[in-house]
Amino acid sequence: QVQLQESGPALVKPSETLSLICTVSGASTTTHYWSWIRQPPGRGLEWIAYIHYSGSTTYNPSLRSRVTISLDTSKNQFSLELNSVTAADTAVYYCARHDGLNADDYWGQGALVTVSS
Amino acid sequence: EIVLTQSPGTLSLSPGERATLSCRASQTVSSSRLAWYQQKPGQAPRLLIYYVSRRATGIPDRFSGGGSATDFTLTISRVESEDFAVYYCQQYDTSPLTFGGGTKVEIK
Repeated sequence: QVQLQESGPALVKPSETLSLICTVSGASTTTHYWSWIRQPPGRGLEWIAYIHYSGSTTYNPSLRSRVTISLDTSKNQFSLELNSVTAADTAVYYCARHDGLNADDYWGQGALVTVSS
Repeated sequence: EIVLTQSPGTLSLSPGERATLSCRASQTVSSSRLAWYQQKPGQAPRLLIYYVSRRATGIPDRFSGGGSATDFTLTISRVESEDFAVYYCQQYDTSPLTFGGGTKVEIK
């Protein structure tokens, strides 16, 4: 079955760059869109960005200036970079497969990233 | 940006009762790309409904979605103990994709 798994540092210092990788199994990143979504502790969900298998990207304007999403089909992975982080970026970060019709149908378990010195 | 407003914030129900959750959009979701997710504590969201009314794989038929344009509903015909959770609506019609603030379904 389709599985996604986030990996990366759990603690990032303020003003530094948050980097996460999502490894996909049971499906190929040469199809669909691939998303990043985050959830601050005790709060709701915020869509960050997605990348199409062709490489085209779409970002949330609220984060656009600080975010980069990329895709490595040879490794069946996609990644997120968020720079100049502050405490407000502390959240559980989820990766997900996005289908234009079927929404976000598969999700990773999530990775808690804390921004703190 | 399409803002989604969910109501009520919390719904207190007994097992076996009917749950009706509302999601109102600030603009028409023109392509019917409206989804519902269930999230339990410490877990990732799980897709329940996509394209307004289509159930995702493995979702019981007590869950149903409906609505159009700016007003959408998720109905649980008879709430079971495993259904107590937070529910989010999402529009994936227009970028940026957006989620509602959530409705918590709790045991009365």
